[in-house]
Amino acid sequence: AQKVTQAQTEISVVEKEDVTLDCVYETRDTTYYLFWYKQPPSGELVFLIRRNSFDEQNEISGRYSWNFQKSTSSFNFTITASQVVDSAVYFCALSDTTDSWGKFQFGAGTQVVVTP
Amino acid sequence: DAMVIQNPRYQVTQFGKPVTLSCSQTLNHNVMYWYQQKSSQAPKLLFHYYDKDFNNEADTPDNFQSRRPNTSFCFLDIRSPGLGDAAMYLCATSTKGWLAGNIQYFGAGTRLSVL
Repeated sequence: AQKVTQAQTEISVVEKEDVTLDCVYETRDTTYYLFWYKQPPSGELVFLIRRNSFDEQNEISGRYSWNFQKSTSSFNFTITASQVVDSAVYFCALSDTTDSWGKFQFGAGTQVVVTP
Repeated sequence: DAMVIQNPRYQVTQFGKPVTLSCSQTLNHNVMYWYQQKSSQAPKLLFHYYDKDFNNEADTPDNFQSRRPNTSFCFLDIRSPGLGDAAMYLCATSTKGWLAGNIQYFGAGTRLSVL
């Protein structure tokens, strides 16, 4: 069965600190996709990244970076030099072939609070 | 810009009074989803459409219905809202939902209050 665990409920940092969000997943499929979404206070879920199970390359996009490790079933997300605008809830999600509709299994989300 | 638009952003209804939330998209995606999100929780899928084919989640209450008159529009109808239905309702779209891994694009949501 699919499962996504985001063990950190809330992380508080001071601006310019780095923050790492953990995501651990479970799936029996060999083909699957992992996602990160950002949900600011306005409510819209904003797509950040998609990674498939065959691509373990880490990725960097500006201040954002992702570390995908199949050996530990983790897909962690780091924000470098955090800013107040990074304050949001971040969701990790998994999609595999268990459901042909590509349904998402979301983690519980991690609230990031960045103070000036 | 192509996008997913939800109206209204805030909706207040009375206990038991039917309410309709709307979603439109300019992405020309063939899959549209409706999610319910309660405070401090992850979004919960209610149902989705693949073109005109409706797919209900097993645990979605009968009180929730949906219509998709064309590719661009999808509606969520709550026939008799209860206090427990107060939540954020999110609409999302994607291409070819039968393939895992399709990115879902979300609207800004409608926050529903039930008095």
